[in-house]
Amino acid sequence: EPEVTQTPSHQVTQMGQEVILRCVPISNHLYFYWYRQILGQKVEFLVSFYNNEISEKSEIFDDQFSVERPDGSNFTLKIRSTKLEDSAMYFCASCRDRHYEQYFGPGTRLTVT
Amino acid sequence: AQSVTQLGSHVSVSEGALVLLRCNYSSSVPPYLFWYVQYPNQGLQLLLKYTSAATLVKGINGFEAEFKKSETSFHLTKPSAHMSDAAEYFCAVSVGNNNDMRFGAGTRLTVKP
Repeated sequence: EPEVTQTPSHQVTQMGQEVILRCVPISNHLYFYWYRQILGQKVEFLVSFYNNEISEKSEIFDDQFSVERPDGSNFTLKIRSTKLEDSAMYFCASCRDRHYEQYFGPGTRLTVT
Repeated sequence: AQSVTQLGSHVSVSEGALVLLRCNYSSSVPPYLFWYVQYPNQGLQLLLKYTSAATLVKGINGFEAEFKKSETSFHLTKPSAHMSDAAEYFCAVSVGNNNDMRFGAGTRLTVKP
């Protein structure tokens, strides 16, 4: 069964450094998403991406964040200058069409020290 | 704005007992509702979804949920809990044209032997 994959599974970085989290969505899916989950808290929406552009973003997704689909298969989340409070689990998700279920990747645990 | 509220951050049941996890939604339009399960150190797995067809939705692992418009509820139930059901459960609503998900705070289910 096709699945969403994410790399790395765990990323440790120093405050102020740039990080890129990578995702490979399911191949025939058209909508892509990033969510984050701070330890012990709920899953929060960050951004949705469709037709090669951001379609929606939350207030969390400020100028430090960017997304890209560089080659038609990968979907990346970049944090330009990480802060301690960016430490969280980041989940990528994709879905085939609107109102279909989203398939989530296993997540990348980001630790900012 | 669409949102969901999960009542009870922690539910504890005995093995074999009924499981009831509560979710209420707020939506100005007919909602698309989902239940996801998260096992420790894993990603989110879809249990079931409501997309305006049958009001009683059956999912995986013996779970089901009933959409009640009059009560704005979408509670998750399972007749007989199993030890393997211990996990975090998230109710979610699909928002907007791009299917952005808004998650509830989650309910941690503990199953006692």
